[in-house]
Amino acid sequence: ETGVTQTPRHLVMGMTNKKSLKCEQHLGHNAMYWYKQSAKKPLELMFVYNFKEQTENNSVPSRFSPECPNSSHLFLHLHTLQPEDSALYLCASSQVRWSTDTQYFGPGTRLTVL
Amino acid sequence: LAKTTQPISMDSYEGQEVNITCSHNNIATNDYITWYQQFPSQGPRFIIQGYKTKVTNEVASLFIPADRKSSTLSLPRVSLSDTAVYYCLVGDFGAGNMLTFGGGTRLMVKP
Repeated sequence: ETGVTQTPRHLVMGMTNKKSLKCEQHLGHNAMYWYKQSAKKPLELMFVYNFKEQTENNSVPSRFSPECPNSSHLFLHLHTLQPEDSALYLCASSQVRWSTDTQYFGPGTRLTVL
Repeated sequence: LAKTTQPISMDSYEGQEVNITCSHNNIATNDYITWYQQFPSQGPRFIIQGYKTKVTNEVASLFIPADRKSSTLSLPRVSLSDTAVYYCLVGDFGAGNMLTFGGGTRLMVKP
């Protein structure tokens, strides 16, 4: 499935680096999401955008900075991360930001912070 | 926001029917019930969604009793490739309600 793509698929970075994760959806959706999934933990919702406007920030540290330039693209800018931020970062999209609406997930970016 | 409770893990054998039950005692009138499947190192994938009674698609069935305080995902004749984590989500149309994935149920299908 190529409805939601994420790049890079794997990323290793030092604590002083600055990097960005990219998500693109080809489904014509208007809502996009960032999730974090640490080892053996439930998915944690980080940010939600609906029609390019951020609607939820789930108390995410400021070292994670989202950007949504249009309804098809979502970025997660990373800087001065900690080793505990190592996780699988998943992007998802849905038609609009309604909780009953099916979310389509990308394959994720496996992030390792050294 | 309705909280869900699922078994942490389940084991089954190929060809068997698997039923995973999710409890959601605080489900609200507008809440729908949605199930996702997740394979290791992949994003979750939508399986089925329902509001009441029974819903069936090509992958699974979803049974919801009249009081809607629980739901059961039924996977007919599972195969090894059905080994995954299954998540039950309950949510409504209300603004400000964040979507929450619980711990999920880790299903292991054995030969």
